[in-house]
Amino acid sequence: QVQLVQSGAEVQRPGASVKVFCKASGNTFSSFDIDWVRQAPGQGLEWMGWMNPKTGISDYAQQFQGRVTMTWDTPSSTAYMQLSSLRSEDTAVYFCTRHLAGTTSFYGLDVWGQGTTVTVSS
Amino acid sequence: DIQVTQFPSSLSASVGDRVTITCRASQTIRDYFNWYQQKPGQAPKLLISAASKLQTGVPSRFSGSGFGTDFTLTISSLQPEDFATYFCQQSFKTPLTFGGGTKVEIK
Repeated sequence: QVQLVQSGAEVQRPGASVKVFCKASGNTFSSFDIDWVRQAPGQGLEWMGWMNPKTGISDYAQQFQGRVTMTWDTPSSTAYMQLSSLRSEDTAVYFCTRHLAGTTSFYGLDVWGQGTTVTVSS
Repeated sequence: DIQVTQFPSSLSASVGDRVTITCRASQTIRDYFNWYQQKPGQAPKLLISAASKLQTGVPSRFSGSGFGTDFTLTISSLQPEDFATYFCQQSFKTPLTFGGGTKVEIK
């Protein structure tokens, strides 16, 4: 069964960094990019970026460039998303998900992790 | 960036009602358009991709239509398990953008 399992909740101080992991299972991720999407409390969905596990190529949303790093560890089939210089507005649930790689346009984010709550508070 | 406008932001309906949610993209995106359902405390679930392709396991009472800039999600006969928030999304190009969501509540 294809699955993405994320790390547990985090509480961080303003100015700190957080690193969330997303472990993939099911042996069907070789053709996919991993995306990260976040959702602030009571708000909508905000796409942060994607990275390709094979090539390491990434594409970050402009508002996160310089603060976000998305990586992949092949032996453990785990994606990581690190967000630095945290501020209170970064308090949100962070989801990993995936889309079919190789094209500029694609269809749907079809598998999602359960979400990781990140709270930024002094 | 491609803006996606979704309406209504909320609606009240009864079991058995036909429900329609609409989204409009700020530029043509062909059929690179998707619909998600999200229940409280859960991750979004992909219902429809490519504007009209129902995902495996999604009930046939859900349908999607549209091409270009205007898209619609229809629930033909609302069931108790359909009360949730629905999001639309364009995947024509990055940054991927979502509509603001439609919360479907019980009347």
